[in-house]
Amino acid sequence: QKEVEQNSGPLSVPEGAIASLNCTYSDRGSQSFFWYRQYSGKSPELIMSIYSNGDKEDGRFTAQLNKASQYVSLLIRDSQPSDSATYLCAVSPSGSARQLTFGSGTQLTVLP
Amino acid sequence: DGGITQSPKYLFRKEGQNVTLSCEQNLNHDAMYWYRQDPGQGLRLIYYSQIVNDFQKGDIAEGYSVSREKKESFPLTVTSAQKNPTAFYLCASSTRTGNNEQFFGPGTRLTVL
Repeated sequence: QKEVEQNSGPLSVPEGAIASLNCTYSDRGSQSFFWYRQYSGKSPELIMSIYSNGDKEDGRFTAQLNKASQYVSLLIRDSQPSDSATYLCAVSPSGSARQLTFGSGTQLTVLP
Repeated sequence: DGGITQSPKYLFRKEGQNVTLSCEQNLNHDAMYWYRQDPGQGLRLIYYSQIVNDFQKGDIAEGYSVSREKKESFPLTVTSAQKNPTAFYLCASSTRTGNNEQFFGPGTRLTVL
């Protein structure tokens, strides 16, 4: 069973702080990694994609990938109350072509 | 505007009934997917289709059926054989090539009465 693990939280940070969300995966051959944001009662929204080791920055979001450690993370700088949501990590495993495996999500609350 | 639509937004079903959830996309994507989400859990793959007239079972296909007669449409039928169908159903699409970025529709919340 190819697995994606996330801390379920909830994670609370004060407004303006850095939120750090973590994800580990079991399939060493995985190639593509995604972070989705899901507001309560809504569908997931793709916010970051990363495919090679290192950091990828997009505005206040930074995705970090370490394939040797099978670890991907999402940093949210200058957290805002509007960032309060569940963040889902998704991995495209090797050999599964177009399937994604999702973690159970981390619930983030940004306190004003 | 390009996007994915799902209907209905809310659906109520009596036990023993089959229901069909609609998913339409105008993104010109070849691949389409159905996921199920239960409270506090991640997404689990039900069925997926990479081209018209072809589809494959995902991790939890039992009690569900799909068709893919048109590129734009991928309806999901929840049959009476599905023992616990109350859940949030999400449809997604992606290109067949590239890095498999999947984009989601707004979802259908199904409740069995």
